[in-house]
Amino acid sequence: DAGVIQSPRHEVTEMGQEVTLRCKPISGHDYLFWYRQTMMRGLELLIYFNNNVPIDDSGMPEDRFSAKMPNASFSTLKIQPSEPRDSAVYFCASRTARVVGAGGSPLHFGNGTRLTVT
Amino acid sequence: RKEVEQDPGPFNVPEGATVAFNCTYSNSASQSFFWYRQDCRKEPKLLMSVYSSGNEDGRFTAQLNRASQYISLLIRDSKLSDSATYLCVVREFNSGNTPLVFGKGTRLSVIA
Repeated sequence: DAGVIQSPRHEVTEMGQEVTLRCKPISGHDYLFWYRQTMMRGLELLIYFNNNVPIDDSGMPEDRFSAKMPNASFSTLKIQPSEPRDSAVYFCASRTARVVGAGGSPLHFGNGTRLTVT
Repeated sequence: RKEVEQDPGPFNVPEGATVAFNCTYSNSASQSFFWYRQDCRKEPKLLMSVYSSGNEDGRFTAQLNRASQYISLLIRDSKLSDSATYLCVVREFNSGNTPLVFGKGTRLSVIA
């Protein structure tokens, strides 16, 4: 099992540029989540998908952020235009819908993309 | 979304010590509880689920107090490798399909 795969690992870009983050969930997982982590705010849920359909995007900070999941094995998070306050670590996570133990199945996180916007 | 509160620490303890972290949650409807561990510059990973009756996994014991709305994690005989940030995590409804809400984490440093 390759786990959740994210790319790139690091991204440094200038303010105003478009940034695209990519995620490949674990095969067979029904749910995909995008989180953002900063020292100040911790881990924040941005959006999540169930069977490729966006379920809740209330955590997306503003219209500059968009996410897609065109198929079960790929998702993107796009920021356009990027701003310095978007600098953070962006995690993608996936899990199965099958209940495993108390509270459902655990989340499996990717290694994250460390984004720096200058 | 309701909050999950944790003492950020850091907790600096010597090897072999026992250390405990608490976490409070504000939504009384919360049903599922977890502790995740996050190493520096790494992704969070599930440490253990927290069951209503409390549960133990080796040196780690998790407990839930619904009346006071807090969760605890006890680590006995601390090892250097336990140094990490421990995230308290709550699922707010009794469904496997609602997202997890993460606390900001408590940082633990175990010193030789």
